Amino acid sequence: DIVVTQSPLSLPVTVGQPASISCRSSQRLIFSDGKTYFNWFHQRPGQSPRRLIYEVSNRDSGVPDRFSASGSDTDFTLKISRVEAEDVGVYYCMQGTHWPWTFGQGTKVEIK
Amino acid sequence: EVELVESGGGLVQPGGSLRLSCAASGLTFRNYHMHWVRQAPGKGLESVAAISTYGTNTYYANSVKDRFSISRDDSRNTVYLQMGSLRNEDMAVYYCAAEGLAGSLDYWGQGTLVTVSS
Repeated sequence: DIVVTQSPLSLPVTVGQPASISCRSSQRLIFSDGKTYFNWFHQRPGQSPRRLIYEVSNRDSGVPDRFSASGSDTDFTLKISRVEAEDVGVYYCMQGTHWPWTFGQGTKVEIK
Repeated sequence: EVELVESGGGLVQPGGSLRLSCAASGLTFRNYHMHWVRQAPGKGLESVAAISTYGTNTYYANSVKDRFSISRDDSRNTVYLQMGSLRNEDMAVYYCAAEGLAGSLDYWGQGTLVTVSS
């Protein structure tokens, strides 16, 4: 199985400051169709995960533009330009290129 | 509005069986590959099983292979997860999710809790 290593696992941030989360895959994530199926999800306590980003860098409808993502091959990054209080929770990356799809360990974002 | 509603969770003894259901509405169910993802208490997310449109192909995590079976009934807009030979480590919230965009999980249910304990 592909291992996705996420860092940091805990991220205390100040409101208004930037934040960055990284994921590294144990294998390249380019599918046979040339696309890279890498996603980011946000999970608030007691809620289901909600997707933020698909195919490396595409923001879902309704996701604030303070969220951006980039990456290729094996290295991917999610950035929040200015953290807001509502951004707390756990962020997961996930590769959907190779079955079984695998998730990073999660990054818990909290406000300082 | 898309809604996925899981049911069937509960308390089961080790070695026991349970069938989870996920009823979908607000989407053309037959057009979606469907997945089950689980989350052990206080832990991260783990893909468990997936089924393609028309039920043509099924996929399982190694940890559940030969014990779990995923199926779908497009006439009922429902996906199932038959779980057998349950172990303590299978205890988790089980989410169903719909794959609309390739390689991604567009919609998630609220989850159903499976507790494995004697």
